[in-house]
Amino acid sequence: SQQGEEDPQALSIQEGENATMNCSYKTSINNLQWYRQNSGRGLVHLILIRSNEREKHSGRLRVTLDTSKKSSSLLITASRAADTASYFCATDSRSEKLTFGTGTRLTIIP
Amino acid sequence: DGGITQSPKYLFRKEGQNVTLSCEQNLNHDAMYWYRQDPGQGLRLIYYSQIVNDFQKGDIAEGYSVSREKKESFPLTVTSAQKNPTAFYLCASSKGQGNTEAFFGQGTRLTVV
Repeated sequence: SQQGEEDPQALSIQEGENATMNCSYKTSINNLQWYRQNSGRGLVHLILIRSNEREKHSGRLRVTLDTSKKSSSLLITASRAADTASYFCATDSRSEKLTFGTGTRLTIIP
Repeated sequence: DGGITQSPKYLFRKEGQNVTLSCEQNLNHDAMYWYRQDPGQGLRLIYYSQIVNDFQKGDIAEGYSVSREKKESFPLTVTSAQKNPTAFYLCASSKGQGNTEAFFGQGTRLTVV
């Protein structure tokens, strides 16, 4: 089973616009992470937010976490063509089992 | 350069054969993971290991086996019992002990012919 479900499954926006992706998960977590994957490649870690944090920023990335709703969102501001990729959320528990969601395919139109 | 290396990049297997995928890391990480990714899908956890000589089943362990005899290495064997093995396999590692920020290899694409 997959812990996270991303929404939407696919998103296309114009370059310069903001992109928002959502992640919902099922069980309690220690941390929630977001990763990026270019087609046919490995994943790259973007940002981690702890269960006791509500918001975190890193460059053009903003992540929010609502543990009461078991959901997180990733906002990419001022999108660029190079942001085209799939984005995944991942959650871990005390056992350090790292479980990924289904992903959002983001396409930035130049 | 520190990193995590998977080999080979592409692998072809005949039906009924076992095949082993290699994963090596020189990051001194305690934890290692194997995931399977089908086209257009997310990652599903096959096995993970928090420390040498120990590993746990993930969500889709049937038809797979692993070993963790050395900290640096976590090979995955896809056995003939795996009914649909064609997929993209990703290995990852993390520091462990509560730090699960994962570093990924570039993946092995396995095709059954």
